[in-house]
Amino acid sequence: AQSVSQHNHHVILSEAASLELGCNYSYGGTVNLFWYVQYPGQHLQLLLKYFSGDPLVKGIKGFEAEFIKSKFSFNLRKPSVQWSDTAEYFCAVNARSNYQLIWGAGTKLIIKP
Amino acid sequence: EAGVAQSPRYKIIEKRQSVAFWCNPISGHATLYWYQQILGQGPKLLIQFQNNGVVDDSQLPKDRFSAERLKGVDSTLKIQPAKLEDSAVYLCASSLSGTGEKLFFGSGTQLSVL
Repeated sequence: AQSVSQHNHHVILSEAASLELGCNYSYGGTVNLFWYVQYPGQHLQLLLKYFSGDPLVKGIKGFEAEFIKSKFSFNLRKPSVQWSDTAEYFCAVNARSNYQLIWGAGTKLIIKP
Repeated sequence: EAGVAQSPRYKIIEKRQSVAFWCNPISGHATLYWYQQILGQGPKLLIQFQNNGVVDDSQLPKDRFSAERLKGVDSTLKIQPAKLEDSAVYLCASSLSGTGEKLFFGSGTQLSVL
């Protein structure tokens, strides 16, 4: 069965620090990869996605993620975080064979001003 | 563009009572999803509709949960009777075609079963 693993449940950083959130999945076939974000009091929204092509994808608000097929990973990065990046971040994967979206448990990111 | 509408935002019930949630997806979106999100976990798909037909309900506890999407637009999810472990946020999402593209989420209904 497919699964998605997010390495950290909670991350606390100071403003201007660099961010990397880990995401690994288990599935041997072709996949689509997503990062969703939920800001406090708001609904889940798409941050970025990878379907094909350049494995380094850029999303909103300066976020980027790199797909490394050999490592089954899709880590999220941001060079310099801001207080407004405080949110919960979810990695999700679907197999192109059935499009069923499998979600990680999420990482709560807190940015100290 | 109007987003996915859900109601109510919060609901508190006692175990063995029944509860219903409503969702109105973005206009023109063929696919509608109901997810259950328990605290500390990622969303878990309960049921996926394509227009008014069910595509996937493999994780729906059918002895107590039911869902319908009449006329292929809005949808209701019902729990009857509720158990303590049903306490969760129930999320509705929609997408254009259900072929792996971006999902649009509503604000969710936070259910507490006492």
